[in-house]
Amino acid sequence: DSGVTQTPKHLITATGQRVTLRCSPRSGDLSVYWYQQSLDQGLQFLIQYYNGEERAKGNILERFSAQQFPDLHSELNLSSLELGDSALYFCASSPPGVNTQYFGPGTRLTVL
Amino acid sequence: GQQLNQSPQSMFIQEGEDVSMNCTSSSIFNTWLWYKQDPGEGPVLLIALYKAGELTSNGRLTAQFGITRKDSFLNISASIPSDVGIYFCAGLIIQGAQKLVFGQGTRLTINP
Repeated sequence: DSGVTQTPKHLITATGQRVTLRCSPRSGDLSVYWYQQSLDQGLQFLIQYYNGEERAKGNILERFSAQQFPDLHSELNLSSLELGDSALYFCASSPPGVNTQYFGPGTRLTVL
Repeated sequence: GQQLNQSPQSMFIQEGEDVSMNCTSSSIFNTWLWYKQDPGEGPVLLIALYKAGELTSNGRLTAQFGITRKDSFLNISASIPSDVGIYFCAGLIIQGAQKLVFGQGTRLTINP
């Protein structure tokens, strides 16, 4: 158990819908990262937040957005969903001053 | 952009054999991380390497940070059935924020 929690574990929805994925980082970690992993693919970095502020952006679509709240949990919002958005979405967190990332168990999103 | 070439893509070995996989890049990284991912689960951090030339062990796992900072290898000795999974290397760059770049993964299958 990495200490990073994600909810829900599974999410099934229809095209055009909007969903919110939630992540709680490890205790004491200020940075949260979101990744997308499509079937049998590597992990693609989406976005990073540090202590409530956006720090870095990767290959994140305009239909996707994220935020980090004062209690440091983060939400990833996916809107106007398409079939191709079906994937595993992972959240990771890192402790201040330590160059590593700990991953949560992921949310499997299925868009029908 | 930064890319990691991880090889081999897959390995089929007998239980008890040693395993070796590596990652190379044309880019320099500050940190190398090795993760293992089981199906439908989040990547689990195995070993973190922070210094060029560093050799680190974690039980039967040994990893090294290449002296050029552009490569890393992971060895698993005396493989056991629970070693089955996908192994990912990840290179970390510090450019204001942490940017983690993942290899394509090595799928390890063990014949008992």
